[in-house]
Amino acid sequence: TQLLKQSPQFLSIQEGENLTVYCNSSSVFSSLQWYRQEPGEGPVLLVTVVTGGEVKKLKRLTFQFGDARKDSSLHITAAQPGDTGLYLCAGQNTGNQFYFGTGTSLTVIP
Amino acid sequence: EAGVTQSPTHLIKTRGQQATLRCSPISGHTSVYWYQQALGLGLQFLLWYDEGEERNRGNFPPRFSGRQFPNYSSELNVNALELEDSALYLCASSLATARVLRYGYTFGSGTRLTVV
Repeated sequence: TQLLKQSPQFLSIQEGENLTVYCNSSSVFSSLQWYRQEPGEGPVLLVTVVTGGEVKKLKRLTFQFGDARKDSSLHITAAQPGDTGLYLCAGQNTGNQFYFGTGTSLTVIP
Repeated sequence: EAGVTQSPTHLIKTRGQQATLRCSPISGHTSVYWYQQALGLGLQFLLWYDEGEERNRGNFPPRFSGRQFPNYSSELNVNALELEDSALYLCASSLATARVLRYGYTFGSGTRLTVV
């Protein structure tokens, strides 16, 4: 069962553009994480958001957790080719376990 | 410090055969998770082991099984392989519950299983 749906599934943009990736669910999560995965590698943690309405910034990346803790967004400002990769959200349901979203594949063209 | 290591990196099997995938977690991590990733998309949860016990299982048939050894390393076994089992199998490890929020999972680079 896929609890988290991400959109868009694929995104190709020019260097310097802004973009937003969405992660939506009908379930409430106690926390949500965002990962980035590059080809041939496993996902790497970018950020964890815990409180409804929380906003976290990581350089050009801005993460927001929805007020109801059912959704999240990732906004990238002035995208660079190094941002290319698969972005995955992961929601913590119970205990130690996270369920991963469907993924957004981002390509930034120089 | 060594990261999560998975072996083999690539595995080619014939339909009906069995596959065994191995994972060594980061030293000090007691939890190991297995995920299946098809077509470079989202991760499907397979199994979670902690302190040698199976804690939870995803929506996969019983021919997917595994175990965790006393040194916290883990094996994933897939019996009676089917063509649709072809995927990247990722292993992740983590610290105890309270620290997962801060440090997340640490993933290995995966085993690419191809069933022909």
